[in-house]
Amino acid sequence: AQSVTQLGSHVSVSEGALVLLRCNYSSSVPPYLFWYVQYPNQGLQLLLKYTSAATLVKGINGFEAEFKKSETSFHLTKPSAHMSDAAEYFCAVSFAGGTSYGKLTFGQGTILTVHP
Amino acid sequence: NAGVTQTPKFQVLKTGQSMTLQCAQDMNHNSMYWYRQDPGMGLRLIYYSASEGTTDKGEVPNGYNVSRLNKREFSLRLESAAPSQTSVYFCASSERRGGVYGYTFGSGTRLTVV
Repeated sequence: AQSVTQLGSHVSVSEGALVLLRCNYSSSVPPYLFWYVQYPNQGLQLLLKYTSAATLVKGINGFEAEFKKSETSFHLTKPSAHMSDAAEYFCAVSFAGGTSYGKLTFGQGTILTVHP
Repeated sequence: NAGVTQTPKFQVLKTGQSMTLQCAQDMNHNSMYWYRQDPGMGLRLIYYSASEGTTDKGEVPNGYNVSRLNKREFSLRLESAAPSQTSVYFCASSERRGGVYGYTFGSGTRLTVV
């Protein structure tokens, strides 16, 4: 069975500092990987997704993530944090084919706080 | 261009009451899902429907039932609500193109069971 682990339930950075949110997955077949952002009292918004086309994926709002098969990781980064980046971030995995039917498995979430 | 519409947005139930959460999508997607979100636990799959006429259990199905009424609609029913079902519920739909699933989420239903 697939699983996702997000290391760190809370991450705090200063405005302008590097943002690094960690995600590791376990899978016996090649995965599709996603990062979503959720602002307070809102739904989920897709930041970016890895679909095997390129290992470095660029998303919206200046975020990017790199798929590293050897480390089973898909960490999310942003060079310079902005106050508006404060939100909860979710890593998720799915698989094509078989009986997956596109079911997404989510990590526990990481709350990002940005200090002035 | 409504995407996925969930109703209601908020609901308070008393223990033992029943209710149905409604979800409809207008993108002609085959697959639909119900998730619940709890603090520190991410989103967990309750039930899913791979296509019209089929439903199957996800990770946390106990206490819930679903109906895939047609291709557009996928409802979630709580027959006898319990405080442990206090949560935020998200409906989603997806379609597979080029081997990759694309997902659309509703805005959520915040349910409190007292």
